[in-house]
Amino acid sequence: DGGITQSPKYLFRKEGQNVTLSCEQNLNHDAMYWYRQDPGQGLRLIYYSQIVNDFQKGDIAEGYSVSREKKESFPLTVTSAQKNPTAFYLCATRTRTRNTEAFFGQGTRLTVV
Amino acid sequence: GESVGLHLPTLSVQEGDNSIINCAYSNSASDYFIWYKQESGKGPQFIIDIRSNMDKRQGQRVTVLLNKTVKHLSLQIAATQPGDSAVYFCAEMNTGFQKLVFGTGTRLLVSP
Repeated sequence: DGGITQSPKYLFRKEGQNVTLSCEQNLNHDAMYWYRQDPGQGLRLIYYSQIVNDFQKGDIAEGYSVSREKKESFPLTVTSAQKNPTAFYLCATRTRTRNTEAFFGQGTRLTVV
Repeated sequence: GESVGLHLPTLSVQEGDNSIINCAYSNSASDYFIWYKQESGKGPQFIIDIRSNMDKRQGQRVTVLLNKTVKHLSLQIAATQPGDSAVYFCAEMNTGFQKLVFGTGTRLLVSP
């Protein structure tokens, strides 16, 4: 069954702790993206990766880090440096052959208390 | 910097009406402009795109218009149905950089 898996769906962390959000895909897509969505707002780009072992900062990369060691996986770490980490995080993938259609996971809702 | 924004945060229509959702963009270098639909609790889904060298593109019940002179994008939905109720995002992409940037979204509410 092809798709994008984000886990967990809900995540709670104490302030000051780093937390890693998982994104796995079996669509064989080259590009992967992480977005943050706050209530009633749009999607803001955190990081994106076009190929394995390469990634670029998006518009709000401060306080976040990523890795792309495998094509299938693009984990996002929310560090303690992120001042307001509570949000809905969405992972997306895209294939180069279908330029504009990105496919999204179900998201992870992170709450920092 | 780049920005993609919307004029109206909420649009309420009656079932059967035509809906028009608008978007302003600022990055003239984008190659494609795209519309996505997000239903509650889900990730966005692709609706339709338009290349920057086009003015109009039609899909099934949807039409996207691009006015590069005023940097304006619109999504027209014909015969709006309750199932169309969702948040609609415009987005833009520069295919050279593979960067996909979204706007803030418009909520479409369709009443029976």
